[in-house]
Amino acid sequence: EVQLVESGGVVVQPEGSLRLSCVASGFTFDKYIMHWVRQAPGKGLQWVSLISWDGGSTYYADSVKGRFTISRDNSKKSLFLQMNSLRTEDTALYYCAKGGMDGSFDYWGQGTLVTVSS
Amino acid sequence: SSELTQDPPVSVALGQTVRITCQGDNLRRFYASWYQQRPGQAPVLVISGKNNRPSGIPDRFSGSSSGDTASLTITGAQAEDEADYYCNSRDSSGNPVLFGGGTKLTVL
Repeated sequence: EVQLVESGGVVVQPEGSLRLSCVASGFTFDKYIMHWVRQAPGKGLQWVSLISWDGGSTYYADSVKGRFTISRDNSKKSLFLQMNSLRTEDTALYYCAKGGMDGSFDYWGQGTLVTVSS
Repeated sequence: SSELTQDPPVSVALGQTVRITCQGDNLRRFYASWYQQRPGQAPVLVISGKNNRPSGIPDRFSGSSSGDTASLTITGAQAEDEADYYCNSRDSSGNPVLFGGGTKLTVL
């Protein structure tokens, strides 16, 4: 059974930093693209970032480019999101998602809540 | 950059058929995937590719595409289908991944 478990979400002040983690199980982690997707309270899904199977390629949404860094440790089946210079508009539930072979997001974690507030 | 436009809130009578659409120029090149999100839960993939249902998704869910529009059809809607539905696809410009704004489905 595929499982994705996120952690690291807390309340942080504007301009602060935070590192989210996602631990995967139930599939061969180092063969798949992984994503972070967020959902602000009462809003829709917003793609944040993706990383290739080997970590060699990364992509970011314009809204987080230059502030967030995605990384992975395949030996620990873990995905990370380093979030710097946080803004109030970054407040959201952050999901870790596995990339499917057809470009879909075929498995999702339950999310970790990041609140940016003074 | 491109965007995906979804229907406003939709309602369907129990047991009837409903179609939810997603429109965007990039859908002429890429298939859409569809996700169901019930209140307080994480999204679940229901359709991907041309019309592929993951294991465990009922066969009343189907997908289709024509031109710049992708559709998710629920044939014989059930009470448990009441949820928000999101489409997504790849993009060849700007962000590599796009999500639609979501459609809230109410089953009456």
